[in-house]
Amino acid sequence: GENVEQHPSTLSVQEGDSAVIKCTYSDSASNYFPWYKQELGKRPQLIIDIRSNVGEKKDQRIAVTLNKTAKHFSLHITETQPEDSAVYFCAARYLGANNLFFGTGTRLTVIP
Amino acid sequence: EAGVTQFPSHSVIEKGQTVTLRCDPISGHDNLYWYRRVMGKEIKFLLHFVKESKQDESGMPNNRFLAERTGGTYSTLKVQPAELEDSGVYFCASSPWLDEGQGSYEQYFGPGTRLTVT
Repeated sequence: GENVEQHPSTLSVQEGDSAVIKCTYSDSASNYFPWYKQELGKRPQLIIDIRSNVGEKKDQRIAVTLNKTAKHFSLHITETQPEDSAVYFCAARYLGANNLFFGTGTRLTVIP
Repeated sequence: EAGVTQFPSHSVIEKGQTVTLRCDPISGHDNLYWYRRVMGKEIKFLLHFVKESKQDESGMPNNRFLAERTGGTYSTLKVQPAELEDSGVYFCASSPWLDEGQGSYEQYFGPGTRLTVT
């Protein structure tokens, strides 16, 4: 099956700085890579996703990049705000499967 | 539109007892998934229903876990008898049916049930 590794496990940044979270995956057949944000006491929510036929996707202050050759993808958050503080999970889905394989999560703290 | 709901939000039981978790997916979603997160680790897949049928139960840890999806609507996950290592947060997610390569693969998560086995 797929194996997803995520780094770092914790990340603290000053408000206004950028944050980058990186993930690697093992199965070259994986074709969908979502990022979920889980605020304290709330459900995980999709914030951005990318398919394997695209190298980069951006939505306002967040962007995801995918390097299929190296089998890694990254989440970039620019101009961070205190409300960005949460646990972020990357995941991968491989072709033909329906379930997601998740990373271990990154706790992001934005310091005002 | 109501989101995925789960009940209870928290459950504390003793080792050897039985617990049943419930998930109500978004109406009309054929796919229903159960995941579990043990503290500090990844959210790990348990099983997947398509309507009332188990499509993939490869993630179920052992035969103490039994999942059902009556009539293709809500689902239950029973743990009997519970062990200490079963503690964690159990998430349910749902998604509409789609053909490979079509539409969004987004899975909508519930708030989770925090299970503590003492």
